[in-house]
Amino acid sequence: GAVVSQHPSWVICKSGTSVKIECRSLDFQATTMFWYRQFPKQSLMLMATSNEGSKATYEQGVEKDKFLINHASLTLSTLTVTSAHPEDSSFYICSARDNFGTSGQETQYFGPGTRLLVL
Amino acid sequence: GESVGLHLPTLSVQEGDNSIINCAYSNSASDYFIWYKQESGKGPQFIIDIRSNMDKRQGQRVTVLLNKTVKHLSLQIAATQPGDSAVYFCAGAEYGNKLVFGAGTILRVKS
Repeated sequence: GAVVSQHPSWVICKSGTSVKIECRSLDFQATTMFWYRQFPKQSLMLMATSNEGSKATYEQGVEKDKFLINHASLTLSTLTVTSAHPEDSSFYICSARDNFGTSGQETQYFGPGTRLLVL
Repeated sequence: GESVGLHLPTLSVQEGDNSIINCAYSNSASDYFIWYKQESGKGPQFIIDIRSNMDKRQGQRVTVLLNKTVKHLSLQIAATQPGDSAVYFCAGAEYGNKLVFGAGTILRVKS
């Protein structure tokens, strides 16, 4: 149980284009999902908290107009990187919190990640 | 705010030996901790968690120890196998709040 998927797993795009990444909880409902960014050999950096039916909460320094988050259902959150530039190239990982599971309320289950390369 | 960090960036162990990965945290209000394993190119995988009302919890070949007095937790892996090679992250949170991740420790298992 507690499986989270991401799509696509990798994407290459031209500078200036927008890229959408999907995060799905496959076997549980997640009112809260999280989006992280990870650079090589570094830890996960939380970008934003996505709440179903409401606006996302962004961490300090993360541009909300550049990283658009939509959490329209209890099983799907999307991250859109708008007008992507080479410095946006990174590994983007989502996670979902299983609020109704037997694990702790804080337990997050992670997706496999999406590798973005902006040329 | 919360900060969670690791003492050792890289740990090399011989196959079959036990591994101990350490983590320190700064927020004394943290009451929930998780260990994740991340293999290259993949997302973090849940290993084991522990609440602050416990000082030890065991899973399959893994044990997490929590010392609230010195704000330290550790992950012990018994009979380390090549498949255990990965980056290990600890994370902590106050109840209902977001997780804060440590820097990570690379575990290398030598055959």
